Amino acid sequence: DVKVTQSSRYLVKRTGEKVFLECVQDMDHENMFWYRQDPGLGLRLIYFSYDVKMKEKGDIPEGYSVSREKKERFSLILESASTNQTSMYLCASSLTGGNQPQHFGDGTRLSIL
Amino acid sequence: GDSVTQMEGPVTLSEEAFLTINCTYTATGYPSLFWYVQYPGEGLQLLLKATKADDKGSNKGFEATYRKETTSFHLEKGSVQVSDSAVYFCALSLWYTGGGNKLTFGTGTQLKVEL
Repeated sequence: DVKVTQSSRYLVKRTGEKVFLECVQDMDHENMFWYRQDPGLGLRLIYFSYDVKMKEKGDIPEGYSVSREKKERFSLILESASTNQTSMYLCASSLTGGNQPQHFGDGTRLSIL
Repeated sequence: GDSVTQMEGPVTLSEEAFLTINCTYTATGYPSLFWYVQYPGEGLQLLLKATKADDKGSNKGFEATYRKETTSFHLEKGSVQVSDSAVYFCALSLWYTGGGNKLTFGTGTQLKVEL
């Protein structure tokens, strides 16, 4: 089974802090994704990466950046956390191909105070 | 742009009732279609998928058929159980010329099954 591991299930940070969310997958997938999930809005794509050191903006990249130095690891960075970034963050990975499903981690519930 | 529309929830059913969750899509290309399920406190799990017209995806008693003529992918189960209580997401995937595949999700439908 594919395993996507997110470093924290719950995280509490303060406004203005730099926040790192880490994600690791163990199936040699080329593609990795970061989403945020908010009630009534579903899942929205923040950034994705289809190769090491490659990144593409998703639908809501403002206030975020990402890093992919190794194939198995994809980090989401909140440069200066704000309260409107309080959310559930989900990481996913997949093989390349339009018919390939994405495999998700358990999520990080981030609260910015 | 590409989009997925799901019926709004919550949907509340009695155990052993028949379930339908409607999903329709709009896509510029020829997408693959997926249903994901999210149990409380967890991430999303793939429930089933279909990659071409008239394909039927099935898993754990759930089924959905890719209907190109109606651009729909409705989720059905003949007899729901309390353990099926979760949020269900319909999604489409299109090949991205940069090399990846992007999922577009519906907003999710919460299902509550009562004894």
